[in-house]
Amino acid sequence: GDSVTQMEGPVTLSEEAFLTINCTYTATGYPSLFWYVQYPGEGLQLLLKATKADDKGSNKGFEATYRKETTSFHLEKGSVQVSDSAVYFCALSLRQAGTALIFGKGTTLSVSS
Amino acid sequence: NAGVTQTPKFQVLKTGQSMTLQCAQDMNHNSMYWYRQDPGMGLRLIYYSASEGTTDKGEVPNGYNVSRLNKREFSLRLESAAPSQTSVYFCASKGLAGAANTGELFFGEGSRLTVL
Repeated sequence: GDSVTQMEGPVTLSEEAFLTINCTYTATGYPSLFWYVQYPGEGLQLLLKATKADDKGSNKGFEATYRKETTSFHLEKGSVQVSDSAVYFCALSLRQAGTALIFGKGTTLSVSS
Repeated sequence: NAGVTQTPKFQVLKTGQSMTLQCAQDMNHNSMYWYRQDPGMGLRLIYYSASEGTTDKGEVPNGYNVSRLNKREFSLRLESAAPSQTSVYFCASKGLAGAANTGELFFGEGSRLTVL
């Protein structure tokens, strides 16, 4: 079945370090791919998305490129800040009406100053 | 601009008690979802409603029931709460598939439920 696998956390970085969180997927058809972020005590917010192969999603300095050949959608940021500390979820959607998003288990990022 | 609204935000129940989590969206979305979030498990789909008048089981439906009351509202009911249902519950909605809709879900802020 369809699934998302993302790297286990927690990830602990110093401020201004480079961030990569790996995400790979298995899907029938051509999914849209998403990264959601959850700040402490809050719900999930869409961080970025990509709808087709080679698309690059970007937002708030984060980027991820939809790689069909490697079925990956890795999240990167060149210089993390303390305020980026959160849980990050990779997800896919097959876009048919009503289909739910399938989420990875989440990666906790902790950034220290 | 409320988006997806869930109530209550916090609830403590005793084993065997019942309760209903309410969810409403004001974005005219067709599809609505209930997820639960547990440490180390990510988000797991409980039930969903692809459109008004339909509901379907997700990955972890046991112990829950849902009602799609109208296009705006989708409630989740625990008939006899168990400690294993202690979790954070999220409601979400999605519009119709199409050029303007990439399948993104819009989430409520969550309902934290503790069953003693």
